[in-house]
Amino acid sequence: GAVVSQHPSWVICKSGTSVKIECRSLDFQATTMFWYRQFPKQSLMLMATSNEGSKATYEQGVEKDKFLINHASLTLSTLTVTSAHPEDSSFYICSAPPRGAVAYNEQFFGPGTRLTVL
Amino acid sequence: SQQGEEDPQALSIQEGENATMNCSYKTSINNLQWYRQNSGRGLVHLILIRSNEREKHSGRLRVTLDTSKKSSSLLITASRAADTASYFCATGGTGKLIFGQGTTLQVKP
Repeated sequence: GAVVSQHPSWVICKSGTSVKIECRSLDFQATTMFWYRQFPKQSLMLMATSNEGSKATYEQGVEKDKFLINHASLTLSTLTVTSAHPEDSSFYICSAPPRGAVAYNEQFFGPGTRLTVL
Repeated sequence: SQQGEEDPQALSIQEGENATMNCSYKTSINNLQWYRQNSGRGLVHLILIRSNEREKHSGRLRVTLDTSKKSSSLLITASRAADTASYFCATGGTGKLIFGQGTTLQVKP
């Protein structure tokens, strides 16, 4: 199946700093990517939809100025957590449906990025 | 917001036994998917069942879907220690997935 990578796999940062997480589709193009957040022992919650060439769309309750999303190319989306605080510590996972996928809900997930804010 | 509930929240069985987990959802769906997540890792797609299907098999997995009850079940037969993981159902429209709360399965060797 298609491969989605994330970088870094884990990051520890100080409160107040910004952290950038990359999501790449390695062997297919993705005009849309999705960013999820997962707190310990909880399910995944959709944060935002990243759209290549246009602005991201955010789910209700997700601050767009805090979680900056840039879909720079058909294979790369980045999520920047700005002015991170301990409550932002979480597991961030991206997913991507292949461009032109017949079954649009066919998605491939990255391995996730563990963010710890001290 | 979460689509629905999964039960049980946690399940512990012996290797070789079958594991059944259930998922309920709230809205109409086109399909329902099941994913597995090993601790601290990403998600692995297991199986997708469409709304016009009632049952689907993949290896040791069997998924059923009852759209009248808005529920689905995942059966893992002849479980192995390697099946220890969290299992999530997910529904979605326009590509966005909404996940259930998940069932944590522990298979004891």
